[in-house]
Amino acid sequence: GQQLNQSPQSMFIQEGEDVSMNCTSSSIFNTWLWYKQDPGEGPVLLIALYKAGELTSNGRLTAQFGITRKDSFLNISASIPSDVGIYFCAGRAPDSWGKLQFGAGTQVVVTP
Amino acid sequence: EAQVTQNPRYLITVTGKKLTVTCSQNMNHEYMSWYRQDPGLGLRQIYYSMNVEVTDKGDVPEGYKVSRKEKRNFPLILESPSPNQTSLYFCASRGPSINQPQHFGDGTRLSIL
Repeated sequence: GQQLNQSPQSMFIQEGEDVSMNCTSSSIFNTWLWYKQDPGEGPVLLIALYKAGELTSNGRLTAQFGITRKDSFLNISASIPSDVGIYFCAGRAPDSWGKLQFGAGTQVVVTP
Repeated sequence: EAQVTQNPRYLITVTGKKLTVTCSQNMNHEYMSWYRQDPGLGLRQIYYSMNVEVTDKGDVPEGYKVSRKEKRNFPLILESPSPNQTSLYFCASRGPSINQPQHFGDGTRLSIL
């Protein structure tokens, strides 16, 4: 099956720093999604990307759909303590009937 | 408020004792899905349902059953739970278009002793 590699696995950053994480796939995707999971809660959608090359922002978050359609990245600018959590990428392949593949997640820890 | 509701949120039980985790959504969504989340593995799909009475296996269906008798409900059934099914489980739903993002419940933490 398809493999989604998400990196880094974890990040320890200081408040105010920028954060960058990415996902790569072994095959092309039609959709890339980025979710955030807070402790004790389910993943919440941050950004959805539907076209190769698409660059979308949501407040301090920016995500891009790679032009090869096999990768995506998420940037968080000027991190704040509430950015702490696990960030997941998810992708949908062209022939998957909407099934999502998830990355293993990036744990972000923000220190004051 | 649009939401996906799972029950119970936490359960500790023993090997072999049948259990059901309920999932209900109030968004009239056609598509519903169950995932399990394990450290370092992200979310893996167990079963999904495209609509009432239409269900199919995901990536890790062994040891699980589902049913979709009503649009709003999608229970996950463990007929004979085993310790390797100890995990965090999430139910999700979305509308009819495959481009619509999935909305997740808050999770059910199962511990099988």
